[in-house]
Amino acid sequence: DVKVTQSSRYLVKRTGEKVFLECVQDMDHENMFWYRQDPGLGLRLIYFSYDVKMKEKGDIPEGYSVSREKKERFSLILESASTNQTSMYLCASRRQENTEAFFGQGTRLTVV
Amino acid sequence: RKEVEQDPGPFNVPEGATVAFNCTYSNSASQSFFWYRQDCRKEPKLLMSVYSSGNEDGRFTAQLNRASQYISLLIRDSKLSDSATYLCVVGGSQGNLIFGKGTKLSVKP
Repeated sequence: DVKVTQSSRYLVKRTGEKVFLECVQDMDHENMFWYRQDPGLGLRLIYFSYDVKMKEKGDIPEGYSVSREKKERFSLILESASTNQTSMYLCASRRQENTEAFFGQGTRLTVV
Repeated sequence: RKEVEQDPGPFNVPEGATVAFNCTYSNSASQSFFWYRQDCRKEPKLLMSVYSSGNEDGRFTAQLNRASQYISLLIRDSKLSDSATYLCVVGGSQGNLIFGKGTKLSVKP
């Protein structure tokens, strides 16, 4: 079974803090994604990566950065957390284009 | 036109009913299509991939109409456990995955 693991289920951070969300997959997948999900807005793509050290902006990259130093790990960084970044963050991975993606369990981040 | 559009519902149906969801997409170059299911406060999970020839998995049937750029999901003999949000997903031209906002299904006894 594919396993995508996010480092935290719940996280509370203060405004202005630098926040790291970690995601690890164990199936040697090429592609990895970070989404956020908000009521009424669905899943919106923040960044994705199709290979180590490669990254592409999604629909809402502002206020975020990513890092992919190793194939199995894709990190999402909130440079200076703000209250409008309170959300559910979902990481996903897939083997290659045109295949299905597998999701981690999600991190519910609250910025106060 | 939004990239992937779905009727948000909710669809409230009795057990045993047949229910159909439709989804339209804007990029005619899209090559991959999926239906995901998401339970409340859980991550999305793949329900089924959608192929040009159509495909069936038990009570679930998915169809793809490339000419009209829509995808459908049919659920027969609905169960209480089918209550969830169903997400239509389309492969983007840049290697990303584009999600619809989901259609909420509630199956009642």
